[in-house]
Amino acid sequence: KNEVEQSPQNLTAQEGEFITINCSYSVGISALHWLQQHPGGGIVSLFMLSSGKKKHGRLIATINIQEKHSSLHITASHPRDSAVYICAFQGGSEKLVFGKGTKLTVNP
Amino acid sequence: DTAVSQTPKYLVTQMGNDKSIKCEQNLGHDTMYWYKQDSKKFLKIMFSYNNKELIINETVPNRFSPKSPDKAHLNLHINSLELGDSAVYFCASSQDRSNEQYFGPGTRLTVT
Repeated sequence: KNEVEQSPQNLTAQEGEFITINCSYSVGISALHWLQQHPGGGIVSLFMLSSGKKKHGRLIATINIQEKHSSLHITASHPRDSAVYICAFQGGSEKLVFGKGTKLTVNP
Repeated sequence: DTAVSQTPKYLVTQMGNDKSIKCEQNLGHDTMYWYKQDSKKFLKIMFSYNNKELIINETVPNRFSPKSPDKAHLNLHINSLELGDSAVYFCASSQDRSNEQYFGPGTRLTVT
């Protein structure tokens, strides 16, 4: 079992829909990262958080340390949001341990 | 201005060859990383350097040898390439070990 579980694995939405991607992890962590991998392959860091909630534009990331769970929300989704979203935690060793990613497709 | 750059972007080579991938960051960061993304798109840490010092060395065959000539560069040398080494290799950097990471564009290595 992977230390980081993401759900769903694949997600298809219509433009304008509210999207939620979930991430659960099994160990104590120092930080949780959300990354976006574009269809062209490039990886961008979206958020790094260790508590509470962060917002950037239409993206919101939340984390519940007690429940070992984080969510990434996208409001008013757009076809350009289509990408793979990857959750990763940073534990005691400070290395990133990655989930398998959620492939999001937003149709116009 | 590219923050984290890698060369080459594509590398096709035959089994048994030795090859290097170069990474440079112009962000003034102290920490650099190498990641491998396999055919199933799963990312895994290989190495991490902080101020030219190796701090993370995952279970990677010793055919892989990272070298950091200065804190802006982290190169990856691979000896005796095998078919299973085919993957996309990403370099990344961060201000220190507890900050967000900036990724390079990746190097797609194909071993034939």
